[in-house]
Amino acid sequence: DTGVSQNPRHKITKRGQNVTFRCDPISEHNRLYWYRQTLGQGPEFLTYFQNEAQLEKSRLLSDRFSAERPKGSFSTLEIQRTEQGDSAMYLCASSSEAQINSPLHFGNGTRLTVT
Amino acid sequence: RKEVEQDPGPFNVPEGATVAFNCTYSNSASQSFFWYRQDCRKEPKLLMSVYSSGNEDGRFTAQLNRASQYISLLIRDSKLSDSATYLCVVNMWSSASKIIFGSGTRLSIRP
Repeated sequence: DTGVSQNPRHKITKRGQNVTFRCDPISEHNRLYWYRQTLGQGPEFLTYFQNEAQLEKSRLLSDRFSAERPKGSFSTLEIQRTEQGDSAMYLCASSSEAQINSPLHFGNGTRLTVT
Repeated sequence: RKEVEQDPGPFNVPEGATVAFNCTYSNSASQSFFWYRQDCRKEPKLLMSVYSSGNEDGRFTAQLNRASQYISLLIRDSKLSDSATYLCVVNMWSSASKIIFGSGTRLSIRP
């Protein structure tokens, strides 16, 4: 399978704990995005990498959130001191800079529940 | 006003019907447009890009009206399997944060 891969699929954690999610993009894609989606809403942009450089961060991304893409391949998203409001689906997407108007290709997401 | 707006629906139509929905966008600098399909509790999947001249893919037709700043999706001969949420996406290409998703239109096809 050469699509975008995310794990874990589901994560249940207690408030105050730290969680980390992983995303493996399509191998030839140098652009990687993290989104958050809650019920009844479209995905909301969190952050963007081009290769290993984190070029953009949303104002939604509080200082409890951090993302990395150390070698320009896989990426991790960490949430520290989770809150109930962090419960959502976290989606990773990748795209190719080489293709004009390249669409985003999404992974199957990590569903986070904070209790 | 939201940057990308869609009627949330639900649209409830019989199998075989034709259904259409629109998506309006506020920024005239928007440069590329897409329709995604999202099944319940799954990730969005690209349905089709939307080109200036309009484009068709089987039973699906997408159109762009730059003057009125909307895109549309038409589904002909709807199937039960078309039941899903349809998200429109507008990309201004000025920054990654300017790839904006609508909230989606829910479509339910009944037998």
